Amino acid sequence: EVQLVESGGGLVKSGGSLRVSCSTSGFTFGAYAMAWLRQAPGKGLEWVGLIRGKAYSGTTEYAASVRGRFTISKDDSKSIAYLQMNSLKTEDTAVYYCTRIRPNIYGDYADFDYWGQGTLVTVSS
Amino acid sequence: QSALTQPPSASGSPGQSVTISCTGTSSDVGGYNYVSWYQHHPGKAPQLIIYEVTKRPSGVPDRFSGAKSGNTASLTVSGLQAEDEADYHCSSYAGSYNFVFGGGTKLTVV
Repeated sequence: EVQLVESGGGLVKSGGSLRVSCSTSGFTFGAYAMAWLRQAPGKGLEWVGLIRGKAYSGTTEYAASVRGRFTISKDDSKSIAYLQMNSLKTEDTAVYYCTRIRPNIYGDYADFDYWGQGTLVTVSS
Repeated sequence: QSALTQPPSASGSPGQSVTISCTGTSSDVGGYNYVSWYQHHPGKAPQLIIYEVTKRPSGVPDRFSGAKSGNTASLTVSGLQAEDEADYHCSSYAGSYNFVFGGGTKLTVV
């Protein structure tokens, strides 16, 4: 059974840093691309970024809203993905979800087939 | 404001059908056959229920169906059941590793 469990959320002051983790099981972690998404209170979902699988050297892509402040990494030996968030702003307050990107026969990244329950990050002023 | 437009709420009685719309532009919904839908029961992990506009992952009941016309995608839930009461989110690929979402629709089974 595929499982994703986020941890590390909490309260942090504006300008601060926080790292959230995503522990996974039930699949060959290194073979898959993983993504982070977030949902601010009362808002829709927002894609944050992704990290490719081992075959693509674990390279990353980011949404414009977080590029340069957030970094996604992973430890294939532990099957864990990380989201390092620096220079946090109040508008980064959200539930952060770790997701697996569904493999696509065309090699495209288009949707997210497994999700965690999310971890709440609150950025105070 | 979300990139894709969904109605904030929808409702139906058990056994009825409900359709939720998701409107984007030619740069996202209209430009790619990569529309997906997610069911989210609060406090639980969201679940992929439709991908590539019309396809259902294994285990998703065929009561859930997806379609697209132009820049608008839709999710239809037929034969509504109490457990279908949840939030539903649409998403579309928008090119250059950009993924856009709707604001979500709260489906109530009355």
